[in-house]
Amino acid sequence: GENVEQHPSTLSVQEGDSAVIKCTYSDSASNYFPWYKQELGKRPQLIIDIRSNVGEKKDQRIAVTLNKTAKHFSLHITETQPEDSAVYFCAAIRPINKFYFGSGTKLNVKP
Amino acid sequence: DVKVTQSSRYLVKRTGEKVFLECVQDMDHENMFWYRQDPGLGLRLIYFSYDVKMKEKGDIPEGYSVSREKKERFSLILESASTNQTSMYLCASSFTRHSTDTQYFGPGTRLTVL
Repeated sequence: GENVEQHPSTLSVQEGDSAVIKCTYSDSASNYFPWYKQELGKRPQLIIDIRSNVGEKKDQRIAVTLNKTAKHFSLHITETQPEDSAVYFCAAIRPINKFYFGSGTKLNVKP
Repeated sequence: DVKVTQSSRYLVKRTGEKVFLECVQDMDHENMFWYRQDPGLGLRLIYFSYDVKMKEKGDIPEGYSVSREKKERFSLILESASTNQTSMYLCASSFTRHSTDTQYFGPGTRLTVL
């Protein structure tokens, strides 16, 4: 099966700084890479995703990059705000609909 | 807007009890999933279903079973609850079995087994 590793497990940044979370995967058949944000006591919600035919995708302050050769993908959050504080999960999906999640990164944005 | 609901937010049961966790989605999704979420381990797939009466094992099916009698409802069953099944349980659904789609999550059920 797939093995998804996520780093770091915790990340603390000052408001306005950038945050980067990295994930690696093992199965070259994985072709879809979503990122979920889970605020305390709430359900995970999709914030951005990327498919294997794309190298980078951006949505306002968040972006995801994918390097298929190296089998890693990263989440970039710029100009962080306190409301970005949450746990972020990456996932790698093999066809069809086999989701493998990373262990999560707890992001703390200090005002 | 997709809505995935779970029958309980918090549940406390005793060792050996039979436990039912219910999940309902209202968007006619074909796929439904059950995960457990533990600190430092992320989300681990227990079972999933891509059609009524169909089920497939995930990564950690031991000690669990599932039931999907109707398309909108997917139940997770702990036949004889044990303390190591204390966890947060998340249900999810996605649109079709034929492509890779975003999963939408329910609010979770925090189960404590005493």
